[in-house]
Formats: sequence, C-alpha cells, structure tokens
Amino acid sequence: AQTVTQSQPEMSVQEAETVTLSCTYDTSESDYYLFWYKQPPSRQMILVIRQEAYKQQNATENRFSVNFQKAAKSFSLKISDSQLGDAAMYFCAYTVTQGGSEKLVFGKGTKLTVNP
Amino acid sequence: GAVVSQHPSRVICKSGTSVKIECRSLDFQATTMFWYRQFPKQSLMLMATSNEGSKATYEQGVEKDKFLINHASLTLSTLTVTSAHPEDSSFYICSARHTGTGVLWDEQYFGPGTRLTVT
Repeated sequence: AQTVTQSQPEMSVQEAETVTLSCTYDTSESDYYLFWYKQPPSRQMILVIRQEAYKQQNATENRFSVNFQKAAKSFSLKISDSQLGDAAMYFCAYTVTQGGSEKLVFGKGTKLTVNP
Repeated sequence: GAVVSQHPSRVICKSGTSVKIECRSLDFQATTMFWYRQFPKQSLMLMATSNEGSKATYEQGVEKDKFLINHASLTLSTLTVTSAHPEDSSFYICSARHTGTGVLWDEQYFGPGTRLTVT
C-alpha cells in the first residue's frame, strides 16, 4: 500500500525554538524521492526540502533539515529557530512509480503553530 | 523560478452546470500536469495525471466523465467539472512537471488552487 503517515495532526512551537515533525511511509521501491511541502493559509504549496532515497546524507535547507532513516522508512523534518512565518500545514510526500508514471503521495498533514 | 497559474481562483456555480478550470505553466513547458483535490483540513488527493497530446490517466475512484481533463498544449491543461453538484465543492490544485531541470527528479510546481463552490 502506498501510504504516508504523519502522526501529529497539530504541533506548536515557541518562536526561535526547534520543532520536529514526524513522517513514516510505506514503499517497496528502492529508488524514490521524499519531500516536505508547506501550505500556508494562502493554500499555495511550497516545496520545503527534498531527499533522494539513494543518498545517505540528510538534506538541509537553511533552517530546515531532515532525519532520513531508510530502513525504518522514516523522514522527519526539523525546523530550527522557528519563525512566525513558518506557521502552516506541512505535508510529507514521496514519489511512487506506477504504470511508467511518477506521482506524489501525500500524508494528511501537520498543522504547525508558532507562538510569539 | 517556475510559475504555475490557475484560473479562476474562485468560482461559484449552480448545481447541474459545468465549470472549467485552467492550469498554465507560465515560463516553462510541461509535458505532464497533475490535478489534485483537497477537502477542508485534509490532504491532497491526486485525481489524474494529464499528459500533453494524450488521454489523462485517472486515479481509482475518480469519474472520468465527470472530471474531463484536456492537455492540449505544453503550457495548458484544463479540468472541466461536468454537471456539478454540491459534493463537488472543493479546492482543486494543479501542478506542472518541469522536465529536464532535475538530475533524476523533474520538479513539480504547484498552482495557487481554485476554490469551487456548487450551490
């Protein structure tokens, strides 16, 4: 089954603090990509970070980093020095190849609140 | 960066009528576009994959005759909701795959979405 599980429907963090959002997924593929997307109230989907499954090194993008555990099929997102603008829904996703076409499968999302 | 637009951003239509939503890649060509549906406070559900010049591939459970997809050019895909009913009210998001930019993964860029309300 193609599933992405985000076990935290809601999270909150104090401004300037660090927060980690969890994500697990289920795939039988060996090569795939993992993503974290941010969806602010505007509803525009914004790519936060991408991880190639064949890379052992965890991806980082400024204040955003991931902890990728391939064997455990875990892909958590750490946000350091949280800012008010980080408040949004965060979706974990991964690529699935089906019928020669590659598509994204999304988790249900985690709503992040940043408290001043 | 690559930009994807959707038009309209909001639309209200009466039950039984049809409504068309456009998805355009503004500064790149997209051989593949995707249509998603998002219910309030829920995730994105892929409805169909649209390939330029060929028929769309629909996900299981999505009615092909109700959600007509046309990808007539490398920069435009349209989603037509036919004979719309209140249960079709939702947020529809498209994305366009920017081929040739990534090493192995062709980046998907998302449109801003269209809120459809059927009365």
